[in-house]
Amino acid sequence: AQTVTQSQPEMSVQEAETVTLSCTYDTSESDYYLFWYKQPPSRQMILVIRQEAYKQQNATENRFSVNFQKAAKSFSLKISDSQLGDAAMYFCAYRSLTQGGSEKLVFGKGTKLTVNP
Amino acid sequence: DTAVSQTPKYLVTQMGNDKSIKCEQNLGHDTMYWYKQDSKKFLKIMFSYNNKELIINETVPNRFSPKSPDKAHLNLHINSLELGDSAVYFCASNRGESSYNEQFFGPGTRLTVL
Repeated sequence: AQTVTQSQPEMSVQEAETVTLSCTYDTSESDYYLFWYKQPPSRQMILVIRQEAYKQQNATENRFSVNFQKAAKSFSLKISDSQLGDAAMYFCAYRSLTQGGSEKLVFGKGTKLTVNP
Repeated sequence: DTAVSQTPKYLVTQMGNDKSIKCEQNLGHDTMYWYKQDSKKFLKIMFSYNNKELIINETVPNRFSPKSPDKAHLNLHINSLELGDSAVYFCASNRGESSYNEQFFGPGTRLTVL
């Protein structure tokens, strides 16, 4: 079974600075998807960024980018120019390539990000 | 025009009661899920349905019974509620036949069992 590990229960960053959240995973599959979800205090789960394992190029979405190291099974999230609205729980998630109802997400335990003004 | 909706958003009840949480998606998705987020914020899959068929049942007690009357709805009924059932329950959906697809989450239902 796949597992996802987020080793940083809490992180803090100054507004406008850059922060990196760590995520490692364990799998025997060669193709899969990885996601970062954000959960603000409203508790809504919001997709931040996603990466297909077969793509070597790291995904980027505006101020959010990932460092995907497939061999090391590492998938870190970098937030540049941090804003107060970035404060939230961040979850790393793994998804197998299967379809037809088996596309469950396996989540890490989350990292609580605080942004200091 | 909410994509995935859940009712109720908050549910407070006594131990031993039976309660239901409803989920509806208007995205035309084939696959729907229930996830449980415990007090430590850990999210874990409970069930998935594809075209009204149960696909995943992750060792959830049989007091939990999902029901999918149609592709757009997946309800969760819980019998004989226990203190440990207190959690936030999220419904989610995605297009089952597509790869690289995002799961859309509902707003969650916070269940408190007293």
